[in-house]
Amino acid sequence: NAGVMQNPRHLVRRRGQEARLRCSPMKGHSHVYWYRQLPEEGLKFMVYLQKENIIDESGMPKERFSAEFPKEGPSILRIQQVVRGDSAAYFCASSPVAANTGELFFGEGSRLTVL
Amino acid sequence: KQEVTQIPAALSVPEGENLVLNCSFTDSAIYNLQWFRQDPGKGLTSLLLIQSSQREQTSGRLNASLDKSSGRSTLYIAASQPGDSATYLCAVTAGGTSYGKLTFGQGTILTVHP
Repeated sequence: NAGVMQNPRHLVRRRGQEARLRCSPMKGHSHVYWYRQLPEEGLKFMVYLQKENIIDESGMPKERFSAEFPKEGPSILRIQQVVRGDSAAYFCASSPVAANTGELFFGEGSRLTVL
Repeated sequence: KQEVTQIPAALSVPEGENLVLNCSFTDSAIYNLQWFRQDPGKGLTSLLLIQSSQREQTSGRLNASLDKSSGRSTLYIAASQPGDSATYLCAVTAGGTSYGKLTFGQGTILTVHP
């Protein structure tokens, strides 16, 4: 049973370009969460999605950021018109349908560098 | 607003020592508390999860305790090894929800030298 898969692991973009980060949850998991780890800062919650629904996006910046988790395929975190401050590690986590324990399983992260 | 603080920020110990990492949180209305390990350039590995109704959890050389009323948790590592070197993160989930909206501490960077 593969773990949470994220790609790309490393992404370099120039200011103004778009970044797309993908996350495939563990098999049987239908809840996906995105977290961001800025340099020298702790991990911060961004968004929580279930299949085809955004449940909580309270941690997502209001502009340029969007997330989706379609019926088929991975969850995607999209950052439009990237700026240097977007450089960070973006982690995806998943949990089972009945996440009564609240335990999350994290991917290895996607490290975005904006030049 | 929940805030999680971890002390110390960094710790360096010789191999074989027993050590304690501390975590405190400002809002005691939590659903659970998790300890994670993060290796450089890697993702997070869940070490222990303590539900709000529990006092402690053990896994191998690791023991985590939770005192919800005082807003504290400790992670005890027995007989430390160089392979334990990593950043240890504490995170809490808000009460009233079972989904994974975690609030993380800044972490403790542990170095165990031979």
